[in-house]
Amino acid sequence: QSALTQPASVSGSPGQSITISCTGTSSDIGGYDYVSWYQQHPVKAPQLMIYDVSKRPSGVSNRFSGSKSGSTASLTISGLQAEDEAHYYCTSYTSSKIVLFGGGTKLTVL
Amino acid sequence: EVQLVESGGGLLQPGRSLRLSCTASGFTFGGYAMTWVRQAPGKGLEWVGFIRSRTYGGTTEYGASVKGRFTISRDDSKSIAYLQMNSLKIEDTAVYYCSRDASGVLPRAFDIWGQGTMVTVSS
Repeated sequence: QSALTQPASVSGSPGQSITISCTGTSSDIGGYDYVSWYQQHPVKAPQLMIYDVSKRPSGVSNRFSGSKSGSTASLTISGLQAEDEAHYYCTSYTSSKIVLFGGGTKLTVL
Repeated sequence: EVQLVESGGGLLQPGRSLRLSCTASGFTFGGYAMTWVRQAPGKGLEWVGFIRSRTYGGTTEYGASVKGRFTISRDDSKSIAYLQMNSLKIEDTAVYYCSRDASGVLPRAFDIWGQGTMVTVSS
């Protein structure tokens, strides 16, 4: 199975909203509501931001939200802040009982 | 404090074996599934594999690139998860992270991560 497809980069100005897409197939994103999103700052471990498509772990800002339509999941960050600049990765559980990661998206806050 | 600490990384030649450890503290280790994820230098994240909690049989799943070479196990009495890596290849060079899975039965939400341990495979 191939990795999930994410845009290589997105950018936005402080205060704006941005959306990162994550495209899969009916065997992963389209077949399960088990999509997660992770934020990774340079030389840091990833941090869980969204799980089960749209749930936020305790402590994660409500500026982060997730959704899914068909085989494409999306992460939206509203009220963009400088500290949001990082790499973002999506994951999905699959019919092969494994997890696929997206290739990652670099978010630049202008 | 909830914490995961990986250890055991190092430099070794292709074809050799290495065992990584992930020591947990601050939570009931036995009640959670554990996942290993790796990141090659300058690259994205790759899911390595997963071990269910004993409640769900302690069974494992593996990514295609490591299946048959890597084995995940756990010692709940010591709160440690292991990643046994055999027949190592140059392309296994990466930072290896362990993470706690919020689900016990299938890998879907990795809510606590260790700091990672570097494995370098080079001739």
